[in-house]
Amino acid sequence: GAVVSQHPSWVICKSGTSVKIECRSLDFQATTMFWYRQFPKQSLMLMATSNEGSKATYEQGVEKDKFLINHASLTLSTLTVTSAHPEDSSFYICSARDGGYTEAFFGQGTRLTVV
Amino acid sequence: DAKTTQPTSMDCAEGRAANLPCNHSTISGNEYVYWYRQIHSQGPQYIIHGLKNNETNEMASLIITEDRKSSTLILPHATLRDTAVYYCIVSPGGTASKLTFGTGTRLQVTL
Repeated sequence: GAVVSQHPSWVICKSGTSVKIECRSLDFQATTMFWYRQFPKQSLMLMATSNEGSKATYEQGVEKDKFLINHASLTLSTLTVTSAHPEDSSFYICSARDGGYTEAFFGQGTRLTVV
Repeated sequence: DAKTTQPTSMDCAEGRAANLPCNHSTISGNEYVYWYRQIHSQGPQYIIHGLKNNETNEMASLIITEDRKSSTLILPHATLRDTAVYYCIVSPGGTASKLTFGTGTRLQVTL
């Protein structure tokens, strides 16, 4: 199957700072990528759909000014958590679909801890 | 997207078959049934998917009822490494189609 890679795997940042998470499709081009957030003992919650070359589409209740998404190339989407606070601490996961496959593939996730 | 209903948790003895049910009574004609699993602190792993017919791969088998309103994921010989949360999701197959996760089934494989 196709490979989706996230970087970093984990990050600790101070409250008030911004942190960027990268999501790359390693062996295919992804015009669309998806960003999820998962709190402990909860399911994955879709945050936004990232579209190459255009603005991201955010799910209801997700602050677009706080979670900045950039999808500047067909293999890279980035999620920037701006002015992070402890309540933003979570597991962030991206996914993408390769046009040659019906299924979606997921990155390994990024554990963000805001202190 | 259609919603799915799964049992919250299940147990299975190692070496036995694990049968995980899923109800998706409002599934649309163009929606596939996908199964993913998530092992603790990792991203979801694709297992199998199907549209109408039963499917089998090296990991599992997927049985879809004729009316497509429910399905069963079968892990033929469960091992301890199969302990995970299993998610059943229905979604169209296009590259822009998002996957909406429910609460899933927590499968515990025991000795």
